[in-house]
Formats: sequence, structure tokens, C-alpha cells
Amino acid sequence: EAGVTQSPTHLIKTRGQQATLRCSPISGHTSVYWYQQALGLGLQFLLWYDEGEERNRGNFPPRFSGRQFPNYSSELNVNALELEDSALYLCASSSRHHKVYEQYFGPGTRLTVT
Amino acid sequence: AQKVTQAQTEISVVEKEDVTLDCVYETRDTTYYLFWYKQPPSGELVFLIRRNSFDEQNEISGRYSWNFQKSTSSFNFTITASQVVDSAVYFCALSLPYQGGSEKLVFGKGTKLTVNP
Repeated sequence: EAGVTQSPTHLIKTRGQQATLRCSPISGHTSVYWYQQALGLGLQFLLWYDEGEERNRGNFPPRFSGRQFPNYSSELNVNALELEDSALYLCASSSRHHKVYEQYFGPGTRLTVT
Repeated sequence: AQKVTQAQTEISVVEKEDVTLDCVYETRDTTYYLFWYKQPPSGELVFLIRRNSFDEQNEISGRYSWNFQKSTSSFNFTITASQVVDSAVYFCALSLPYQGGSEKLVFGKGTKLTVNP
């Protein structure tokens, strides 16, 4: 069974640009979570999508947004990039329909803002 | 609000030593889930274990064991006879149930374990 996949692996952008990160969940999983792992700040929850709807968001500005598609894949968009947005962005998926509470993570996208 | 504290920032041991990683959590909810994840240098978080708040049985999986104590709000992780491949950052996390599934994960800051040969 394929795990969570993320693309691209690395992304380099300049300040003010927009970044789009993609995530495909494990087959059968309907929930997708996004986390940011910035140096010195640990792993912070960004967004949670379930069956196409945003269920919760963390303490991040509105320029962090996303969506979930009918096939449950997800996109994270970061507008007006700032230097401090440089981080590893991790996507996770889980399946509440099977009462599986674990979140399984992808390899991450490393975003560098210069 | 939920909080997870991993007081040990870094631990260094010699191969074959036993090592315990501490995790203390805070929540007012009576139903919650606790997790341990491993993050090797490659960056991907690897799920190790999930514990429900109503199940205080300790668990052993090979060289790994977990000690869950609600009385002290702790969920400690022990690696027996450590190996170099155990070198990684280990995260303890907490989540709450939501509509039959799981809410967001609240992570501790992580403990970097280095096992030297």
C-alpha cells in the first residue's frame, strides 16, 4: 500500500512569491493534516481537511490556505512568502471512518525562501 | 488547551545502553490519545505507537516499551539495548477525538537521541 506522498521534495522561492505544496493521502484516508516544522519552533499544526472541508486551522495568518479535492488529495498555498516561512512542511493522513486515529506522515516538502 | 513537554532536548548514549525518553502531557479532557513518532535524518515522521487514555496497560514491542501513567500524566518511552539505527529525533504527541476520528496532533519539542557505536 502506498504511503502519503508529497511534492515537490524541495522548493525554493523568493520573498513575496507564492508557493504551492501538494499531498496525496493513503488510499482510503479522507483526512489530511498539514504541519510546519520550522527551525527552533518544533512541529506546529497548520490545517486539517476532512472530506473536502476545512475542519480546523492552527495559529497561522490567512496567507496560509489550502483545499482538499474530491479524491482527498490536498494543496497548501502560502502567499506573500516571508523568510520565516522557510521550513519543512509535513502532510499527514488518517481515516476516521475506520476509527484509525493514527496520522501517517509523508516525507515532507522543504521550502526555502530567499 | 493541550500541551506536551519533552524536557530532554538531547540524549547521547553508547550502543547497547538502555535509554528512556520522557513525555509529560496536559489536557482537561478525559478521552485523548497519546503517540510517539520517530523522525530520522531523512525527515519523515514514522508512527511508533498510539495509546488511548482509558487503556493504561504498558506495551512492549521488541526493544521498545512504553509506560503510560495517568496519575503523573506521563507517557515515557524506553529503548532497550539501543542501536546506532535508533539515532533520531523522537516526538511525543497528544490528540483529542473528533467525530469518530482524531483531532490535530499537539507535539512536544522532541528529544534528539544519538546512539554512538
